[in-house]
Amino acid sequence: GAVVSQHPSRVICKSGTSVKIECRSLDFQATTMFWYRQFPKKSLMLMATSNEGSKATYEQGVEKDKFLINHASLTLSTLTVTSAHPEDSSFYICSARDEQDVTNYNEQFFGPGTRLTVL
Amino acid sequence: AQSVTQPDIHITVSEGASLELRCNYSYGATPYLFWYVQSPGQGLQLLLKYFSGDTLVQGIKGFEAEFKRSQSSFNLRKPSVHWSDAAEYFCAVASGGDAGKSTFGDGTTLTVKP
Repeated sequence: GAVVSQHPSRVICKSGTSVKIECRSLDFQATTMFWYRQFPKKSLMLMATSNEGSKATYEQGVEKDKFLINHASLTLSTLTVTSAHPEDSSFYICSARDEQDVTNYNEQFFGPGTRLTVL
Repeated sequence: AQSVTQPDIHITVSEGASLELRCNYSYGATPYLFWYVQSPGQGLQLLLKYFSGDTLVQGIKGFEAEFKRSQSSFNLRKPSVHWSDAAEYFCAVASGGDAGKSTFGDGTTLTVKP
């Protein structure tokens, strides 16, 4: 099946700094990728839809200026947590669909996640 | 708006016993339904999915799920649980018309007793 990678898998940063997380589709192209946030022992919350070549679409309540998303190519989306604070500590997961696979168009392939800890 | 409910927060079963995890969804059209498993600190692994056709779907690791439109349910089952099945299980629904983004249930934590 299609593979999605994330980098880094784990990051610790100081409060006030910015952190960039990369999401890559390794063997397929994706014009759309999704960013989720997962709190401890909680479900995944969709943060935004990343669109290649255009602005991301953010879910209600998600701060656009806080979580910057850039979909620079058909295989790469980045999430930058700006001026990170301890409350931004979480598990961030991205996903992508293989849009060439018309049979499984609505199946999302998830990255392994990035654990962000803000001190 | 679509939504998913997993009524059981935590389930404990003995190894070798059968398992059923419940999932109810709310969605106006024909839903795309998924079950995922997540081990601690890991990403999501797809167990099985339902798009159309046969309402009983088979997945990996011996799991199956049955789509019941009349009950708006998509319950996950396994006839004999192994200790390695202990994990968090998420049911999700995707709307094809909305860029395919998924809405997840709150998850069910499965504990397996020896």
